[in-house]
Amino acid sequence: NAGVTQTPKFQVLKTGQSMTLQCAQDMNHNSMYWYRQDPGMGLRLIYYSASEGTTDKGEVPNGYNVSRLNKREFSLRLESAAPSQTSVYFCATRSAAEGYTFGSGTRLTVV
Amino acid sequence: AQSVTQPDIHITVSEGASLELRCNYSYGATPYLFWYVQSPGQGLQLLLKYFSGDTLVQGIKGFEAEFKRSQSSFNLRKPSVHWSDAAEYFCAVLTNAGNMLTFGGGTRLMVKP
Repeated sequence: NAGVTQTPKFQVLKTGQSMTLQCAQDMNHNSMYWYRQDPGMGLRLIYYSASEGTTDKGEVPNGYNVSRLNKREFSLRLESAAPSQTSVYFCATRSAAEGYTFGSGTRLTVV
Repeated sequence: AQSVTQPDIHITVSEGASLELRCNYSYGATPYLFWYVQSPGQGLQLLLKYFSGDTLVQGIKGFEAEFKRSQSSFNLRKPSVHWSDAAEYFCAVLTNAGNMLTFGGGTRLMVKP
């Protein structure tokens, strides 16, 4: 069982470039989340999707868009990357019974 | 708004010594509380959680935490630390009808031999 799979694991972008971070789960969970992790700030919620077809903003949504393609996949898009978006990005899923399951992260550097 | 504070950014303990990591939360309703551990370059692993009932909860790897409503705290403890416990630890509170997990800033634990 893969759980929550994030791709890519590492990425370097130039300022202004765009990219999409992919997240796929095989846990059949309804809820999916994107967090960013920065030193000293813990993880902060960017966007979440409580179910297929719905998305909502979290604490730090500016500069990002998301797509809940189907129940399994939840992607995060940076349309015009900025150095302030250098971070480690985590995708997570949640069920009432199992709680949260996190992916292993995508380390993004914007130069 | 809900918030979680972990007052200690770094803690260093000797192997075999006891450990307590502090966590304070701010949330109007009854909180659901969590402790996660993150090893370098890895994702987050759940150590333990508190939803209701007994205020002393046991987790994996010999960790426990105590919920104290009067102090708005959920401190993590371990009686004897092992070198493999060196990692970053995050306290979190579940809010917004379960749709938002709010994290503290983390405490990095270093273990001296």
